[in-house]
Amino acid sequence: AQSVTQLDSQVPVFEEAPVELRCNYSSSVSVYLFWYVQYPNQGLQLLLKYLSGSTLVKGINGFEAEFNKSQTSFHLRKPSVHISDTAEYFCAVSVRGGSEKLVFGKGTKLTVNP
Amino acid sequence: DTGVSQNPRHKITKRGQNVTFRCDPISEHNRLYWYRQTLGQGPEFLTYFQNEAQLEKSRLLSDRFSAERPKGSFSTLEIQRTEQGDSAMYLCASSIWGTDKTVEQYFGPGTRLTVT
Repeated sequence: AQSVTQLDSQVPVFEEAPVELRCNYSSSVSVYLFWYVQYPNQGLQLLLKYLSGSTLVKGINGFEAEFNKSQTSFHLRKPSVHISDTAEYFCAVSVRGGSEKLVFGKGTKLTVNP
Repeated sequence: DTGVSQNPRHKITKRGQNVTFRCDPISEHNRLYWYRQTLGQGPEFLTYFQNEAQLEKSRLLSDRFSAERPKGSFSTLEIQRTEQGDSAMYLCASSIWGTDKTVEQYFGPGTRLTVT
């Protein structure tokens, strides 16, 4: 079975500061990796995904993430955050082939303060 | 492409009542997933369909829960004899299987269920 651990439940940061949201996963088989963002009372929006190839993945809204196979990590970064980045961020994995159902972490609440 | 839609957006019901939610996926998406998200948690997989066939159900999906996708288009999720523990956000997602976009799931806005 797969599992995802998001190491920080809440991350407060000031506007224009850099941010890193940490994600570690566990799986005995190859997985795809994702980061989703959820604004209040809304569904999830895909920020970026890692399928294969280059370990540095760029997504929407200036976010990027780096896949590290040896550390089984997929941390999300942004060099300069905006107030509008305040939201809940979820890391997820799915097993290649089969149902490709998503297994999510518990989420990290990013709060950007002025 | 109008996105994934879900109805109703909010549902308040009394314990013991039955409720039904509807999900309309992106047209031509042949896979449809249901997830449940409780407060402070990430979404958890419930079940998924490929076309009209329900191919997997989570252990979370007790026998009070049933899902259908009769014509391979929209899907319904019914909860019978609701319990307070069923209070959650129910999320639907769809994807295209069999192309290079297989892995990307598009989520609807969710239906928030409150059982009183």
